[in-house]
Amino acid sequence: QKEVEQNSGPLSVPEGAIASLNCTYSDRGSQSFFWYRQYSGKSPELIMSIYSNGDKEDGRFTAQLNKASQYVSLLIRDSQPSDSATYLCVASSTVSNYQLIWGAGTKLIIKP
Amino acid sequence: KAGVTQTPRYLIKTRGQQVTLSCSPISGHRSVSWYQQTPGQGLQFLFEYFSETQRNKGNFPGRFSGRQFSNSRSEMNVSTLELGDSALYLCASSHGPGRANVLTFGAGSRLTVL
Repeated sequence: QKEVEQNSGPLSVPEGAIASLNCTYSDRGSQSFFWYRQYSGKSPELIMSIYSNGDKEDGRFTAQLNKASQYVSLLIRDSQPSDSATYLCVASSTVSNYQLIWGAGTKLIIKP
Repeated sequence: KAGVTQTPRYLIKTRGQQVTLSCSPISGHRSVSWYQQTPGQGLQFLFEYFSETQRNKGNFPGRFSGRQFSNSRSEMNVSTLELGDSALYLCASSHGPGRANVLTFGAGSRLTVL
């Protein structure tokens, strides 16, 4: 069974600090990875996508991928209360017909 | 540019009834996926349609079915409703399967089964 594992949290981070969200995946054939953010009562929305080993930066967000360790992370710099949400890690593999495998999400709380 | 539209937004049914939910994707998107979200189970994949064909299917009983029309609009049906079917049903659209399959979600249809 292909799985994506995330710590459910909640992860509490002081405002202005770096929030680090982590995710591991079981399918070595996974090639595409996505981070979605879901505010309470709202639908998920894409934050970042990453396809190659290394870091990808977009504003305050940095996605990191290590395929050898089957590990994906999302760093949020200068965390703001508006970053408080659940963050969902997603993996996609050609082996699974590009079916998206979703993690259960990590709840992030930014304390003012 | 209009987003993904789901109807109805809220509905209440009783056990044993059936329900049909509708999803209109973003213009130009040919893929539609359906998810069930509950507080205890998170986001659970139901099925994905592309060009009127079901590409992938999650681990749900046969009571859950779907289809996609030639204009990419999709419907999902749940027959013989059970209390456990109470959930938020999310539809998402994208251009189609592939490496960069980015989903855009609708606001969801919240189903309550009494």
